Order: sequence, then structure tokens, then C-alpha cells
Amino acid sequence: DAKTTQPNSMESNEEEPVHLPCNHSTISGTDYIHWYRQLPSQGPEYVIHGLTSNVNNRMASLAIAEDRKSSTLILHRATLRDAAVYYCILRDRNNFNKFYFGSGTKLNVKP
Amino acid sequence: EADIYQTPRYLVIGTGKKITLECSQTMGHDKMYWYQQDPGMELHLIHYSYGVNSTEKGDLSSESTVSRIRTEHFPLTLESARPSHTSQYLCASSVGGDSPLHFGNGTRLTVT
Repeated sequence: DAKTTQPNSMESNEEEPVHLPCNHSTISGTDYIHWYRQLPSQGPEYVIHGLTSNVNNRMASLAIAEDRKSSTLILHRATLRDAAVYYCILRDRNNFNKFYFGSGTKLNVKP
Repeated sequence: EADIYQTPRYLVIGTGKKITLECSQTMGHDKMYWYQQDPGMELHLIHYSYGVNSTEKGDLSSESTVSRIRTEHFPLTLESARPSHTSQYLCASSVGGDSPLHFGNGTRLTVT
């Protein structure tokens, strides 16, 4: 299974942008890049996903490298409620069950 | 947004008891999943279902069993709980393909 590598933790100041990196050097052509986040005592929450092009939604932006071996989740203005564990996962569009969560990046937001 | 419900939220039970963790979703999603997550650790897929009467084991071996008699319901059963089963169990559903997963808030199980 394709896997991802993320830093264990990152810290940000409130109201500032946050760039969360993810490496996925073994990505295949059929893998979508998904990001989820998990707040304390809750289940993971979908954030954004993409295949090749950069993507934007109301929660975040996803920047995908041209060779697709890495991606970056961008939170444009971090708030205290964005403190969570962020997971970058690869999802094979031909096998819906084939994806791997990994240990994620714990984001701490300072006031 | 998808609504997916898990009960109970917390469960403390003695060794040897039979337990069933409930998971229901109201969005008509065909695909449903069970994940196991220890505190501060990654999620591991233990069961999934393509639809009614379809269940498969996931990547992590588990002594639990599941059933899918109705689209909206995907319960997980442990016939004889042991302390090693202590963990958080998360249920999820999706339309399929590259569609997002929608998670419940989990059941935190403690077996004494």
C-alpha cells in the first residue's frame, strides 16, 4: 500500500497561515491525495482531496507538487479550533478500501 | 453532511462479556468501515462492507465480527471481550470511489 510521511508535530500562531507538508514518494497514478483532521475525542473529519491540480474549499487549500510525490495542506488563517491531528492519506480510486492513515501531524495553535 | 451515529460513546465492561458496538448512518451510503485506534496512534481498518450482506476483513486482524443486514446499520460484535480489546472503535461510511469518508465520534471501549 502507498504510504505517506508527515512531521509528528507543528506549531502555529493564531491568525497566521499554516503549511502542513506530506511526502508520498510511492504514489501511483490512480491514488487520490486526501486530508482529514481529528479533533480531540472526535472521529476524523474530511478536509480536502485532489488528484493532480491544486484544490481550494472553504476549509483549506491543497497544493500538489508537479510530480505528485508531495503535497501541502494550507490553512490560510489558523484558529484555536484548528488544533488537531492532520492526516494525509492516499486513496486508490480503483479500490475504495485501499488507503493508509499514518500517524499524522499534531498541529498546536498558540493564541 | 452525512449523519453517522455510534453508540455507546463509552463502554467499560468485564472480561468475557459479549458486546455489540452500534453504528448507523442516514445517508444511504453503500460503503461502511470499522477502524480501531489506540490513543495517539494511527487508525487501522478492521472491517469493511460494500453493501448489504457483504463484509470483508481489513488490514488489521481483529477478533471482532460484523454484519450488514440493512444498508444503514453496521454493528460490530466481540463474543468474549478481553483487556487487549481496549481501544477506540470508529465507524465510517462513504458513497465510494474517491468520495470522502464520514466518521462517527467513536466508541471508547475499556475491558477490565
